Amino acid sequence: AQKVTQAQTEISVVEKEDVTLDCVYETRDTTYYLFWYKQPPSGELVFLIRRNSFDEQNEISGRYSWNFQKSTSSFNFTITASQVVDSAVYFCALRVTSGTYKYIFGTGTRLKVLA
Amino acid sequence: EPEVTQTPSHQVTQMGQEVILRCVPISNHLYFYWYRQILGQKVEFLVSFYNNEISEKSEIFDDQFSVERPDGSNFTLKIRSTKLEDSAMYFCASSEFTYRGSTNEKLFFGSGTQLSVL
Repeated sequence: AQKVTQAQTEISVVEKEDVTLDCVYETRDTTYYLFWYKQPPSGELVFLIRRNSFDEQNEISGRYSWNFQKSTSSFNFTITASQVVDSAVYFCALRVTSGTYKYIFGTGTRLKVLA
Repeated sequence: EPEVTQTPSHQVTQMGQEVILRCVPISNHLYFYWYRQILGQKVEFLVSFYNNEISEKSEIFDDQFSVERPDGSNFTLKIRSTKLEDSAMYFCASSEFTYRGSTNEKLFFGSGTQLSVL
């Protein structure tokens, strides 16, 4: 069975602080995809990043960075110098490649960035 | 960037009534999905659809739910007799059919239909 765990329900930071959102996944598949989606207050689900299981390189995009570690089954997301516009719910998701094509989402982490 | 379109954005209905939620997936996509999110909670998988048939469904997707692709562009979710607990945001999504190891895998979501059952 596959599972995604986001243990942090809600995080509050002050603007300009760095913040890391944790994601731990479970799967027996050797080929899979990991994702982060952002859900701002307006409600839509916005794709942020995809990682393939065979590519463990970390990625940086502006103030966003992602740390993928297969050894600990984690795919953590760091926002550097957070801004109020980063306030949203962030979902980590997993898609395996055998037997199912559904995406499994974690329960989400609500990030509040205070001015 | 291409978009998944959902209509209506809000739907209010009386308990026991039938509702149809409509979606237009991205044109070259082959996999279609419905997810739902009950007020600020997790995004739950309902059903996936490929090659004009359901490929997978969750326990939530019982006999009251059905999906259809009536033509080449629309993808609909029908709830036959709505219950109070069906109140949620319903998201349609689509993806390309990707082979194992593809670097194009990604789920595109519509903006959702907020269903309120009174």
